[in-house]
Amino acid sequence: GQNIDQPTEMTATEGAIVQINCTYQTSGFNGLFWYQQHAGEAPTFLSYNVLDGLEEKGRFSSFLSRSKGYSYLLLKELQMKDSASYLCASLDSNYQLIWGAGTKLIIKP
Amino acid sequence: GAVVSQHPSRVICKSGTSVKIECRSLDFQATTMFWYRQFPKQSLMLMATSNEGSKATYEQGVEKDKFLINHASLTLSTLTVTSAHPEDSSFYICSARVLQGNEQFFGPGTRLTVL
Repeated sequence: GQNIDQPTEMTATEGAIVQINCTYQTSGFNGLFWYQQHAGEAPTFLSYNVLDGLEEKGRFSSFLSRSKGYSYLLLKELQMKDSASYLCASLDSNYQLIWGAGTKLIIKP
Repeated sequence: GAVVSQHPSRVICKSGTSVKIECRSLDFQATTMFWYRQFPKQSLMLMATSNEGSKATYEQGVEKDKFLINHASLTLSTLTVTSAHPEDSSFYICSARVLQGNEQFFGPGTRLTVL
C-alpha cells in the first residue's frame, strides 16, 4: 500500500534549527513535495524534490534520498510565524499526491 | 507565483440545500484541478480529480451524485454539494496543477457549515 510517515508534532525554539523527517512508500515516484499549512488556511507550496540531494531556498531547505524513500525539511533561524503544520506529499506513478498527516511545529520564544 | 482563488470563503446553509463552490486559476491555465476535504486536525483527503472537458474522477467512498464537479474551462472548476447535511460540514480546498509541471497550487479554501 501507499504510506507517508512523518512525526505528529515537534517543538523548537525561536532562532533555532529544526528538521522534519518524512518517509514514503508509494506506487511509483514522481517527486516529493513539502507544504506549509497554518491553522484554518489552505496549504502553501514550499518545495519540490525529484532528484536526490539538498535544495536550499532561503531559510528552508529540502532533502531527498530516493533509494531510502526519505526526505526532510530543514528550517533555519526559526521565527514565531513558522508555527504551522508541515505536510509531506509524494507524487505517485499516476501523478496523484499522496499526503502525510502533517507535522505540527510549535515554536517557543 | 500561480494564484488560485476560491469562492465563497465561508458559507453557512441549512440542511437539505445545495452549495456551489468555485475554484479559479487566475494567472495560469490548469487542465487538472483537485478537490480536497479536510476535517479538523486531520490531513487533506482527496475527493476528486477534475479534468477540463471531461468527467471528474472520484476517490473511493466519495458520492459523485452528491458532490457534483464541473470543469468547464481551463481556469474554472466548480464543486456543488447537493442536499447538504451537517456531516458535510468541513473545509473544502481546491488546487490546480500547471499545464507543464507537477506542482499543485491551492486555493484559500471554503469553510462550509451545514446547520
